[in-house]
Amino acid sequence: NAGVTQTPKFRILKIGQSMTLQCTQDMNHNYMYWYRQDPGMGLKLIYYSVGAGITDKGEVPNGYNVSRSTTEDFPLRLELAAPSQTSVYFCASRLTGMNTEAFFGQGTRLTVV
Amino acid sequence: QQPVQSPQAVILREGEDAVINCSSSKALYSVHWYRQKHGEAPVFLMILLKGGEQKGHDKISASFNEKKQQSSLYLTASQLSYSGTYFCGTEIPFGNEKLTFGTGTRLTIIP
Repeated sequence: NAGVTQTPKFRILKIGQSMTLQCTQDMNHNYMYWYRQDPGMGLKLIYYSVGAGITDKGEVPNGYNVSRSTTEDFPLRLELAAPSQTSVYFCASRLTGMNTEAFFGQGTRLTVV
Repeated sequence: QQPVQSPQAVILREGEDAVINCSSSKALYSVHWYRQKHGEAPVFLMILLKGGEQKGHDKISASFNEKKQQSSLYLTASQLSYSGTYFCGTEIPFGNEKLTFGTGTRLTIIP
């Protein structure tokens, strides 16, 4: 069972470039999330989705876009990358409903120079 | 708004006890606890529901006081393997699909 898979693991972008961080899960989870982790700042929610075709903003959505065309995939798009977007990005998923544990991908370390 | 955790960091000797606190400004439905080892993904420890319940996981237990919107994680007789960063995650009533994490507490256990 693969769980939550993120690609790439590492990436260096130049200022102004764009890229898509991929996230896929094989557990048939409806809820999916994108977080960014900066040193000493915890995990901040960027976007989340409760099912295919439904997405909503989290705490720090500016500079990012998401789509959810299938249950399995939840890609995160960075447009016009900025140094402030240098971070470690985690995708997570969990079952529908209350009190279900979240499963995390291994993360993508992104550096914008 | 992120839940606030305290302390931000703590260093313990093996065998000592620790308490990590998580506080929210919003009414909570449940609290999750996760541990993250350096360079790895966060891993689930436990979920606590409204009702003030306590849960245990090996020598790690937690409590949840929904009136105070607070949860505490208790690590007893700490082991080297307990080192890592601990995060609380919160769900609010009528919005539980949104899982918001705290600022994290870095725990270092030394021999």
